[in-house]
Amino acid sequence: DIQMTQSPSSLSASVGDTVTVTCRASQSISHYLNWYQQKSGEAPKLLIYAASSLQSGVPSRFTGSGFGTDFTLTISGLESEDFATYYCQQSSTTPSLTFGGGTKVDIK
Amino acid sequence: EVQLVESGGGLVKPGGSLRLSCAASGFTFNNADMSWIRQAPGKGLEWISSISTGGTHTYYADSVKGRFTISRDNARNSLDLQMNSLRVEDTGVYYCADIATPPIDYWGQGTLVTVSS
Repeated sequence: DIQMTQSPSSLSASVGDTVTVTCRASQSISHYLNWYQQKSGEAPKLLIYAASSLQSGVPSRFTGSGFGTDFTLTISGLESEDFATYYCQQSSTTPSLTFGGGTKVDIK
Repeated sequence: EVQLVESGGGLVKPGGSLRLSCAASGFTFNNADMSWIRQAPGKGLEWISSISTGGTHTYYADSVKGRFTISRDNARNSLDLQMNSLRVEDTGVYYCADIATPPIDYWGQGTLVTVSS
């Protein structure tokens, strides 16, 4: 089974900061990496799919990169609505899926 | 409008059973691989099961294999999860979702399952 490891598990940042979250797969998953945002009490929402494709309606301050085993989600110019938990997810073995452990972004 | 509405959650004792259902509308359900994802209180997302479009192929996380059974009825646009031999660690919110083929991203609102004596 493919394991997904996210880091850090949490971080504190200020509005306007640039934030980076990393995700590592236990084996190569090509570009089959997706990023989700989850706010408290809500279902997750897809931000980035196929490692770097921006989901429709998602602001361009969210960017994804990576291939193989190492991936990055960057939020450039953090806004107040971005304080949430972020999850990576591999879909190379779809419909069997794996999520990373999550990264909570909170206000410094 | 796409809707996924879960039902069937509740309080059950360890070792007990529960059947979750998910009613789908607003998209072509029989073209979608469907999944159940859960989230324990204060914890992360855990994929637990998926089923192919026709229901022929099913997939399970090791944590639920042999105890949970996923099924679907394409005539009724519904997805089920039969959960047997429930454990305290199965407690959480269970989401029905169509997320196997991004950028498709459909989630239900979740249903809470509590396993406690």
